[in-house]
Amino acid sequence: EAGVAQSPRYKIIEKRQSVAFWCNPISGHATLYWYQQILGQGPKLLIQFQNNGVVDDSQLPKDRFSAERLKGVDSTLKIQPAKLEDSAVYLCASSLDILSYNEQFFGPGTRLTVL
Amino acid sequence: AQSVAQPEDQVNVAEGNPLTVKCTYSVSGNPYLFWYVQYPNRGLQFLLKYITGDNLVKGSYGFEAEFNKSQTSFHLKKPSALVSDSALYFCAVRVPGSSASKIIFGSGTRLSIRP
Repeated sequence: EAGVAQSPRYKIIEKRQSVAFWCNPISGHATLYWYQQILGQGPKLLIQFQNNGVVDDSQLPKDRFSAERLKGVDSTLKIQPAKLEDSAVYLCASSLDILSYNEQFFGPGTRLTVL
Repeated sequence: AQSVAQPEDQVNVAEGNPLTVKCTYSVSGNPYLFWYVQYPNRGLQFLLKYITGDNLVKGSYGFEAEFNKSQTSFHLKKPSALVSDSALYFCAVRVPGSSASKIIFGSGTRLSIRP
């Protein structure tokens, strides 16, 4: 079974530039998550999708971050414009469905450096 | 507000000795508890979970965790540590049925096993 795929693995940009990350979840997984993991901290949920609908985006900085999952499969996360404090690893995860007891499967992450 | 705490940033253990990585939580309601492990340059991997039932949960790679409701703890344990267990470990909590039933991660504990 293929895991969660993410690209790119690394990205370096200057502040005020734009960047986009892509995620392809495990086939058949209805729920998709984007997390931000700042160095030395645990992952923080940015947005959660159930199929193509948003379930929770309460911690997404909506003035600069956006995400979509138009066909209910793969997803993109965009930052526009980027700030220095956005430097982090962005993790995508998926789970079978929205039930609270299902474990999440994580991709390798995209390491973003904002200069 | 629900939260999870990992009081130790780092745990050092000699190979062959037992190990414990501590986790405490604060939630209203019955929690779902998880342990994940993160190896360098890789995404988080699920280790084990407590949903209900037996307080002692067994997981991958010989790890186990004990749910203690009175102490609101979910410590991760292994009887005999291996050098390959060296990694970053995250405890996570989820409260089912709430409007914000997202998973919340602790800050992580770095486990170092010396030969």
